[in-house]
Amino acid sequence: DQQVKQNSPSLSVQEGRISILNCDYTNSMFDYFLWYKKYPAEGPTFLISISSIKDKNEDGRFTVFLNKSAKHLSLHIVPSQPGDSAVYFCAARRWSNYKLTFGKGTLLTVNP
Amino acid sequence: GAGVSQSPSNKVTEKGKDVELRCDPISGHTALYWYRQSLGQGLEFLIYFQGNSAPDKSGLPSDRFSAERTGGSVSTLTIQRTQQEDSAVYLCASSVDRDNEKLFFGSGTQLSVL
Repeated sequence: DQQVKQNSPSLSVQEGRISILNCDYTNSMFDYFLWYKKYPAEGPTFLISISSIKDKNEDGRFTVFLNKSAKHLSLHIVPSQPGDSAVYFCAARRWSNYKLTFGKGTLLTVNP
Repeated sequence: GAGVSQSPSNKVTEKGKDVELRCDPISGHTALYWYRQSLGQGLEFLIYFQGNSAPDKSGLPSDRFSAERTGGSVSTLTIQRTQQEDSAVYLCASSVDRDNEKLFFGSGTQLSVL
């Protein structure tokens, strides 16, 4: 039972354009959501997070949107840069529970 | 050290052998996690340590898996009688405490069971 789903295994965009990575979840008890970025042969690194009391959180070029009614969140990267090419994992947790549930990841390729 | 350190980075073993994977978390981080990523899958929670509390072992897939954390710092994940389905990247992460969402991951151990 996959509680966090990233339905697009890969995404390719041109440098300077917007990248939109999507994530759906099924567990309505999740109240905190995170995005991690992973380069090959490295561990994932924290990128941005959002609490369920918000619908948007922005950090520089990265913005996460949360639609609780649709159980959907998305990560927007504007403008996309070649260095953004990596695997992006969506993760969720209940704030009362330290366990993160991860999606399978989306490989983003930003072409120069 | 500056980050989470894991060793070895790669481990090839024969089916039925035991393996030990080591994790050295960031100094001062009280929470330590083990995850694994099998090919084409997301990260799967294995075990969690918080300070001196009893660990949460609820993610360990079988009794062949065990982990310990000595002195609230270094952790060792042991897999006994390895099977081919144990092949995966084993990732260790630490955080300041259980309420901090920023997990700092090591580079992982790529385990291959032949």
